[in-house]
Amino acid sequence: GDSVTQMEGPVTLSEEAFLTINCTYTATGYPSLFWYVQYPGEGLQLLLKATKADDKGSNKGFEATYRKETTSFHLEKGSVQVSDSAVYFCALSALGSGYSTLTFGKGTMLLVSP
Amino acid sequence: GAVVSQHPSWVICKSGTSVKIECRSLDFQATTMFWYRQFPKQSLMLMATSNEGSKATYEQGVEKDKFLINHASLTLSTLTVTSAHPEDSSFYICSARDRLAGGPIQSGTQYFGPGTRLTVL
Repeated sequence: GDSVTQMEGPVTLSEEAFLTINCTYTATGYPSLFWYVQYPGEGLQLLLKATKADDKGSNKGFEATYRKETTSFHLEKGSVQVSDSAVYFCALSALGSGYSTLTFGKGTMLLVSP
Repeated sequence: GAVVSQHPSWVICKSGTSVKIECRSLDFQATTMFWYRQFPKQSLMLMATSNEGSKATYEQGVEKDKFLINHASLTLSTLTVTSAHPEDSSFYICSARDRLAGGPIQSGTQYFGPGTRLTVL
């Protein structure tokens, strides 16, 4: 079945450091890929998405590139801020499910200190 | 952007009572809504898929008689936790999927509500 694997956290960084959160997936066909962010006590917010190979999703300084050859969708940001502290979820939506459901990774907590 | 609201944001109830949680898409119509459950420091677990005007589709292991889902309109879905017990305490999150113009019903992006924290005493 479909699955998403994320690096375990927490990831602890100082402000202005470079961020990478790894995400790899297993799916049949050509899934759409997503990154969601969850701030403490809140629901999930869509951060960015990519729907086909080599697409780059970007938002708020974050970006991720859909790499079909490595089945990866790593999240990156050049300079993190304290306000970026949250849990980040990688997810996919695959044709096998009729694109109707999301499969989530376990989430990676990011802690940014001043 | 697409906004999804949930009400209430938190609720505390006694064991044995029923609790209803509402999920609304505020600025778009959602043919399909989803209900998730999230345990502390864990990922989201899909409970059921709710289609407007039809019965919800429950994931394996989710009791349909305990978690009643109604999707009466294109902007509202409700989850009722019946005869709640302490083990039902959790963070419940809904999402609503928009539909790409001219696209199939399965197209679109899921937008999530802010969640409802349920505590059963």
